[in-house]
Amino acid sequence: DGGITQSPKYLFRKEGQNVTLSCEQNLNHDAMYWYRQDPGQGLRLIYYSQIVNDFQKGDIAEGYSVSREKKESFPLTVTSAQKNPTAFYLCASSLHGRSSGANVLTFGAGSRLTVL
Amino acid sequence: AQKITQTQPGMFVQEKEAVTLDCTYDTSDPSYGLFWYKQPSSGEMIFLIYQGSYDQQNATEGRYSLNFQKARKSANLVISASQLGDSAMYFCAMREPNAGKSTFGDGTTLTVKP
Repeated sequence: DGGITQSPKYLFRKEGQNVTLSCEQNLNHDAMYWYRQDPGQGLRLIYYSQIVNDFQKGDIAEGYSVSREKKESFPLTVTSAQKNPTAFYLCASSLHGRSSGANVLTFGAGSRLTVL
Repeated sequence: AQKITQTQPGMFVQEKEAVTLDCTYDTSDPSYGLFWYKQPSSGEMIFLIYQGSYDQQNATEGRYSLNFQKARKSANLVISASQLGDSAMYFCAMREPNAGKSTFGDGTTLTVKP
């Protein structure tokens, strides 16, 4: 079955450590996205990528980094520069990048990061 | 300015009744898409319904319908015959093609009472 796989589901980090969240899709989607969700709140865009080897900052990119070396993969690194990283992180993909408004997002199950 | 506004943090509805979740949006782009997603307590986001800015008719998907009023820039979700499994958080989102990304509202938590 096609879909998006995020790992790990739960992650604990000590202050000062970098951590990387994995996101893999087998939907052959061009575009991929990372969102952050804080308790009881909406989704905020961290980074997005419309094609391989290219990505753009979203609304809250500070303290995060990404890469898009393969179409299927879009890992997110939460660096020590992110002062409040405890949150729920959702990865998503869509068939097309810029061209279409009718771009439904398919989401992974999410990764919950807790800083100890 | 916030592009997507959901003014109802929480809503209650009796099982089998209909409920409307409000969403207003702001854009100067004539071409855009409007979406509703459901987030159960498990956390995964589930796509419910889509409305294009040029669509003449309101979108429907089973028990879900989207009340699209373009001049008022509103895209309210109507759930008919509510079920206990409809209890979840609901998000309205907008995609502007030129931006290549989607913007989400803050969500509405719906609780269906038996």
